[in-house]
Amino acid sequence: GENVEQHPSTLSVQEGDSAVIKCTYSDSASNYFPWYKQELGKGPQLIIDIRSNVGEKKDQRIAVTLNKTAKHFSLHITETQPEDSAVYFCAATETGANNLFFGTGTRLTVIP
Amino acid sequence: DADVTQTPRNRITKTGKRIMLECSQTKGHDRMYWYRQDPGLGLRLIYYSFDVKDINKGEISDGYSVSRQAQAKFSLSLESAIPNQTALYFCATASGTGRSGANVLTFGAGSRLTVL
Repeated sequence: GENVEQHPSTLSVQEGDSAVIKCTYSDSASNYFPWYKQELGKGPQLIIDIRSNVGEKKDQRIAVTLNKTAKHFSLHITETQPEDSAVYFCAATETGANNLFFGTGTRLTVIP
Repeated sequence: DADVTQTPRNRITKTGKRIMLECSQTKGHDRMYWYRQDPGLGLRLIYYSFDVKDINKGEISDGYSVSRQAQAKFSLSLESAIPNQTALYFCATASGTGRSGANVLTFGAGSRLTVL
């Protein structure tokens, strides 16, 4: 089955700086890579996703890049704000598959 | 009201007790899931269901059972709780149609279970 590794497990940045979270996956059949944000006391929420037919996708201050050859993908948050503080999970799967395989999470803290 | 509602939000119980966590959704989604979250381990799938008559084991189903009472309701049971089942449990739903719908999960707020 798929194995997703996520680094770092914790990340602290100053407000306004950029944050990067990296994930690797093992199954070459995976072609869908979402990122979820979990705020304190809430369930994870999808913030951005990318499919294997594109290498980069942006949505305002967040972007995701995918290197399918190397089997890794990354989340980039620019101009970080305190409200970006949360736990972020990457995931990988094959489109339509029964399950998402999640990474172990990154706790991002943005210091005002 | 939340799209995916979990009850209870917090529960403390003792070893050996039977516990049921309930999930209801107003999304109209066919697919429902139960995940377990532990620090440093991410989210792991316990059980999933694609319709009322369909129940499937996930990667960590031992010690758990589920019931899909209706399209909108999916409950998780621990028949005899043990301390290593102390965790945060999430219910999630997904649409069963569309190229991407099957993979886009909507999570509930979680049920924190402590087994003493």
